[in-house]
Amino acid sequence: DTEVTQTPKHLVMGMTNKKSLKCEQHMGHRAMYWYKQKAKKPPELMFVYSYEKLSINESVPSRFSPECPNSSLLNLHLHALQPEDSALYLCASSLPLGGGEAFFGQGTRLTVV
Amino acid sequence: SQQGEEDPQALSIQEGENATMNCSYKTSINNLQWYRQNSGRGLVHLILIRSNEREKHSGRLRVTLDTSKKSSSLLITASRAADTASYFCATMGTGGFKTIFGAGTRLFVKA
Repeated sequence: DTEVTQTPKHLVMGMTNKKSLKCEQHMGHRAMYWYKQKAKKPPELMFVYSYEKLSINESVPSRFSPECPNSSLLNLHLHALQPEDSALYLCASSLPLGGGEAFFGQGTRLTVV
Repeated sequence: SQQGEEDPQALSIQEGENATMNCSYKTSINNLQWYRQNSGRGLVHLILIRSNEREKHSGRLRVTLDTSKKSSSLLITASRAADTASYFCATMGTGGFKTIFGAGTRLFVKA
């Protein structure tokens, strides 16, 4: 199984809503990532988890709250988002410590209204 | 912050022609990877080249890496309409597993 599964595929939320994005992999990868991608731009790294611990936070606003409950799951909790947060949110996983390629999910297309 | 820059930003070619994309980066790397993305969906990993390698092949893909110039190129030979996509280089720094993407090249292959 070489898949990273993200749910939901699409999400529309109001600025006062609380929602969560979910990501799951069963490849035994111990590094997991959240990226944000705006239209016609490259993915921008948000968070990195290594062995279920937050290793990198790229100065992301606190309205984005990541969580890694176990080695297969990664969540991104969203609260009080702004319209400019609308983007494609991509989850990825890889072997840790520079072990190789990152496998990406298909992303969640988020629209904040 | 993104450290890679790609050239050209967009490339339009006829089916059967070769496509070459270039990537430059700024800091020392552990490896460099190339990804393809169709229509703003997930990224598909194409090829990984480690910092101690100079060239790698996979099917119609050929990647070169010049660490002295901090640059890489991706060559797609005998292109097909299905190759139409955005192509990104991504570098993993020597510090660990932080993968940073370049700006990308949008490739259009006309049938």
